[in-house]
Amino acid sequence: DTGVSQDPRHKITKRGQNVTFRCDPISEHNRLYWYRQTLGQGPEFLTYFQNEAQLEKSRLLSDRFSAERPKGSFSTLEIQRTEQGDSAMYLCASSPTSGSRGTQYFGPGTRLLVL
Amino acid sequence: AQKVTQAQTEISVVEKEDVTLDCVYETRDTTYYLFWYKQPPSGELVFLIRRNSFDEQNEISGRYSWNFQKSTSSFNFTITASQVVDSAVYFCALSEANTGNQFYFGTGTSLTVIP
Repeated sequence: DTGVSQDPRHKITKRGQNVTFRCDPISEHNRLYWYRQTLGQGPEFLTYFQNEAQLEKSRLLSDRFSAERPKGSFSTLEIQRTEQGDSAMYLCASSPTSGSRGTQYFGPGTRLLVL
Repeated sequence: AQKVTQAQTEISVVEKEDVTLDCVYETRDTTYYLFWYKQPPSGELVFLIRRNSFDEQNEISGRYSWNFQKSTSSFNFTITASQVVDSAVYFCALSEANTGNQFYFGTGTSLTVIP
């Protein structure tokens, strides 16, 4: 039984470049979440999908950030014109529909460093 | 305002000692859910427990136990006979029924178990 997977695990980029991360949730889970975690802090919610519909977006998700889940399976998170403040761990989680507050299962994260 | 407070930033214990990690939460919802996650150095958040606001029964799972007290808005986590493998950052999280599906995480407690 495979868990949530994320790719790449690490990304180093120069300021101003665009980056894209991928998340593959647990196969039977139709809810998918993105979080951002900076050093010494807990994860902060970015956005949430149910199937292919993006239902919630945090104020943290600026215009430079966009997330998609085109067929309700994998999801991508793109950051355009990266800034040094975008350096963080980007975590993806998935949960089943059953239970209104289903447990979220997290992937290993993508660690982004913007130089 | 922080919805989840983990006042203990770092804790060190000697192997086989018991240790309690504190979590205090704040919510106006009557229906909410509380979680504990473990984040080892590898970075992946590992689910430990989920509790809903209507179930104040304490729970024990092996060396782990949880004490949920609504009167003090606390959901504390105790590790009995700690082991080196317990060394990690532990996060407490809250999910509210009326504010969507996001989790609110505390800032985490870094536990070091010294052999």
